[in-house]
Amino acid sequence: EDQVTQSPEALRLQEGESSSLNCSYTVSGLRGLFWYRQDPGKGPEFLFTLYSAGEEKEKERLKATLTKKESFLHITAPKPEDSATYLCAVNSGGGADGLTFGKGTHLIIQP
Amino acid sequence: DGGITQSPKYLFRKEGQNVTLSCEQNLNHDAMYWYRQDPGQGLRLIYYSQIVNDFQKGDIAEGYSVSREKKESFPLTVTSAQKNPTAFYLCASSIISGGDEKLFFGSGTQLSVL
Repeated sequence: EDQVTQSPEALRLQEGESSSLNCSYTVSGLRGLFWYRQDPGKGPEFLFTLYSAGEEKEKERLKATLTKKESFLHITAPKPEDSATYLCAVNSGGGADGLTFGKGTHLIIQP
Repeated sequence: DGGITQSPKYLFRKEGQNVTLSCEQNLNHDAMYWYRQDPGQGLRLIYYSQIVNDFQKGDIAEGYSVSREKKESFPLTVTSAQKNPTAFYLCASSIISGGDEKLFFGSGTQLSVL
């Protein structure tokens, strides 16, 4: 059974204070690792897909990296608008029906 | 604008009542999904449909039913058999683009029990 563990559960940072969120996973065969951002009362918004160890993707202040056991979402010089819950999911089944989601990391950026 | 529309935003269910959550998409995506989100838990798949008139059970289908009569629509009924229906329900659709299968989510429906 696929498992996804995200840490920390919650993280409070000062504006401009860089940090990383962790997503550890166990899958039978990784077909993709996904990062989503979710604002309160809204649906998740797609950020990145990573497929193989060593792969990196960037978008504005966010950078996602992947190893054989975990993925990191690095946040550089965050702003208050980066406050959200960040979800990690892994796919071992090929289609989106094979996604396993983590519980998320609730990130708060204080001005 | 293309997207996924869920309605209503908030829904209240009385004991013994069936309620239906609406999900409509104009993205021309073939596959659609229903997820349930509870506080402190990951999203869990309820049902999914890859083509019209066909759907499959997800991990937690008991107490729920769906239909897929049109490509654009994938309504979810929460039946009285679902004893703990209070949750945030998310509808999604997917497309394969550039080798990635991307999920696009609606804005969700919060269901509560009266």
